[in-house]
Formats: sequence, C-alpha cells, structure tokens
Amino acid sequence: EVQLVESGGGLVKPGGSLRLSCEVSGFTFSNAWMNWVRQAPGEGLEWVGHIKSKADGGTTDYAAPVKGRFTISRDDSKNTLYLQMNSLKTEDTAVYYCATGWILLRWGQGTLVTVSS
Amino acid sequence: QSVLTQPPSASGTPGQRVTMSCSGSSSNIGSNAVNWYQHLPGTAPKLLIYSNNQRPSGVPDRFSGSKSGTSASLAISGLQSEDEADYYCATWDDSLNGRVFGTGTKVTVL
Repeated sequence: EVQLVESGGGLVKPGGSLRLSCEVSGFTFSNAWMNWVRQAPGEGLEWVGHIKSKADGGTTDYAAPVKGRFTISRDDSKNTLYLQMNSLKTEDTAVYYCATGWILLRWGQGTLVTVSS
Repeated sequence: QSVLTQPPSASGTPGQRVTMSCSGSSSNIGSNAVNWYQHLPGTAPKLLIYSNNQRPSGVPDRFSGSKSGTSASLAISGLQSEDEADYYCATWDDSLNGRVFGTGTKVTVL
C-alpha cells in the first residue's frame, strides 16, 4: 500500500525557517517525481514545486511565489522528500501536501504550517 | 490568482448529472493534458481523471472528463451524497513553467 506521511509543520514567526518532510512507502521512491502542494485557509490548491527523479536529472521547478525562498530536495536512501522553507511570510500559512508523479496520483494527509508573530 | 477558471459552485439532487468547466489558455490547457482532483477539506486530495479523460483504478465510471481547445470539463453522473466535495482541474503551464490548479468548484448534493 502506498503511503505518504508529511511532518515538520508548526508555528513559526515571519522571516523564520521550517523544514517539512514527506516519508513514503509502498512504491519505488527513487523512480518518482515528487511534488509539494499547499492550501491556505479558505483558499484552493496551489502547486509549490516538484523535484524530478535522479534518472531524469533530479532538477526542481517552483511556483513564482516561493521561488528563491523554498528548496525541494530528496534522499532516495531514506525514501524521503523535503521542503526547506526560508524567509517565511504570513501568506505561506497553509496545509502542505506531498504528492507523487507527474499526475499527482497519491497524496499525503498534509501538515499545517502557520506563520504568525 | 489562478490562471484556470472554474465556477465556484455546482449542485444537483441524488441521481442527477452535474458538470463543471475549467477555462484556461493556449499556454496551459491548450497545450497540455488536464487532470481533475476531488478534495474534502481535512483529507488528502484524490486524483479522479488524468490525461483529460482517463480514470485511475478504483475511480467509478460515474466520473468522466473531456477537453476541447482551451477548456476542459468534468461530469459526475448518478450524483451521490459522497460526491459532495471540492473539485479542482490542473495542468502544466508552459509560460509559467509550473503546474497550475483551477479555482475550484464546490459541489453540493441537495
């Protein structure tokens, strides 16, 4: 059974940093492109970015609002995806989900990040 | 704001057919395949349709998708109470070099 479990969310002050993790099981993580998607309170889904598999170059793409502040990485030996979030703003408050593949087939349950003073 | 526009709401009685649209442009829907997701707040979103009209294993055939030009649509036939959720279209945008989601449609079963 495919499982994705996000962790690392919490309360952080504006300008602060946080690292989210997404631990996966039930499929070959190293072959998968992985995504982060977020949902702010009362808003819709917003793609944050993705990381390709190492076989496809391991490169990343980001949405404009987070480019230069967020970094997606992966550790295939630990079946874990990461989202390093720096220079956090109040508008980054959201539930953050990880999701698999080009079509975002499988999703985790999400972890809440609150940016507030 | 999103580059993909969806109606904010849709509704129907049990057994009815409900449709919703997703309007984009040549750089997104016009050039790339569309996926649809079902989301109940507080839960993991679920892929309903990929590549415009394909259903993943386990998704009932009551859900169907289509695409024409720069627009796509999702239809739910035989509406059921458990279909009450938010629905999002999504695709890749070549100009933005990123994935974009629609504004979302909230389906209510009357």
